[in-house]
Formats: sequence, C-alpha cells, structure tokens
Amino acid sequence: EPEVTQTPSHQVTQMGQEVILRCVPISNHLYFYWYRQILGQKVEFLVSFYNNEISEKSEIFDDQFSVERPDGSNFTLKIRSTKLEDSAMYFCASSEGTVYEQYFGPGTRLTVT
Amino acid sequence: AQSVTQPDIHITVSEGASLELRCNYSYGATPYLFWYVQSPGQGLQLLLKYFSGDTLVQGIKGFEAEFKRSQSSFNLRKPSVHWSDAAEYFCAVGPAGNKLTFGGGTRVLVKP
Repeated sequence: EPEVTQTPSHQVTQMGQEVILRCVPISNHLYFYWYRQILGQKVEFLVSFYNNEISEKSEIFDDQFSVERPDGSNFTLKIRSTKLEDSAMYFCASSEGTVYEQYFGPGTRLTVT
Repeated sequence: AQSVTQPDIHITVSEGASLELRCNYSYGATPYLFWYVQSPGQGLQLLLKYFSGDTLVQGIKGFEAEFKRSQSSFNLRKPSVHWSDAAEYFCAVGPAGNKLTFGGGTRVLVKP
C-alpha cells in the first residue's frame, strides 16, 4: 500500500540553525501539506501546496518557513532560523484532490536546543 | 472558524468491551469529518471519513462513526476493543482539500 514517508525521523538542531524536513508524498497525489504537533497540544495546520505554489497557510507559517517541491517526488519544509518554540513533531500529508482524504506520514520530531 | 472538541482526554476500557469516543465540531458549512489513529511512534492513520450520504460510516479495524448534524457530533465506536486498539484517536474537520482542524485527541488505554 502506498504511503507517505518522511526523513529524518528525529532531528536535533541548535537555535538559529536552518533545518530542512523532507517528505515523499504518495506518487499520484497532487496536494501536499505540513502540520505540526507541539508536545501535549493539538495537531496544527501549517501550509498546503498545489501546482507548485502555496494554496493556504496558517498564521504559524511566517517568513521563517518555506516549502518546496524540488523534484517530482520530494516535498520539503525549511525553517530558516529555528527557535526553541519550533520544537515539535512535523507531519507531512498528501491527497489526490480537494475532496479526498489526507494521508499522513510518520512525522519528524524536531528538537531545538 | 472551524473547531473540534474531544471532551475525553483519556479513556480506559477493558478488552472486549465497547468503546465510544466523542467528537463535537463547529463548522459553517457541510463538514468533511475524519477520525485518525496514532499508535506510539507512528504517524496518523485514517480510520474513516464522512463526506456525504449515509450518516453511519464504516472504517478500518472494525470502527464506525455516526454523523449527527443536529448535535454537531461525529462519535467513533467499536463494539469490542482489542488490546491493539490502545492508541490516541483524533477527530478532524475541514474542507477536504485544504486545512484540517484537529481535536485535542483521546488516549485510549485497554485493560486486559
């Protein structure tokens, strides 16, 4: 069964460093998403991406964040200068279209020290 | 603004007993509703979804959920719980194409 994959599973970085979280969505999916879950809090939407551009983003997704689909298979989330409060589990998801369910990857746990 | 409330943070149930997890949502239009399950160290796995039509929907692993518009609820049920059902369960609402809004989750513990 096709699945969304994410690498790395755990990333530790120092405050102020740049990190790139990587995702491989399901191959025939067209819509891609990032969510995050701070420990003990709800899963929160960050951004959705379609046709090589952002279709919606949340207030959390400020100028420190960017997304990219650098090739036909990867979808990345970059945080330019990490803060302590960026420590969270980051989930990538994909869907076939706008009226289809979203499938989630296993997540990347980001720890900022 | 859309929102989801899962009133129960933890539920403990005996193996073989029935399970019901509550979900209440707030959404301005006809909602798309989902239940996801997260086992320790795993991602979010889709259990079932409601888009339209029959208000009782069947999902994987023997779960079902009932959409009640009048109560703005989408409760998840399973008639007989197995030890492997111990996990955290998330209800979510949204337009399917973009932003999903999640509830806070309900952690289910299964007693032998």
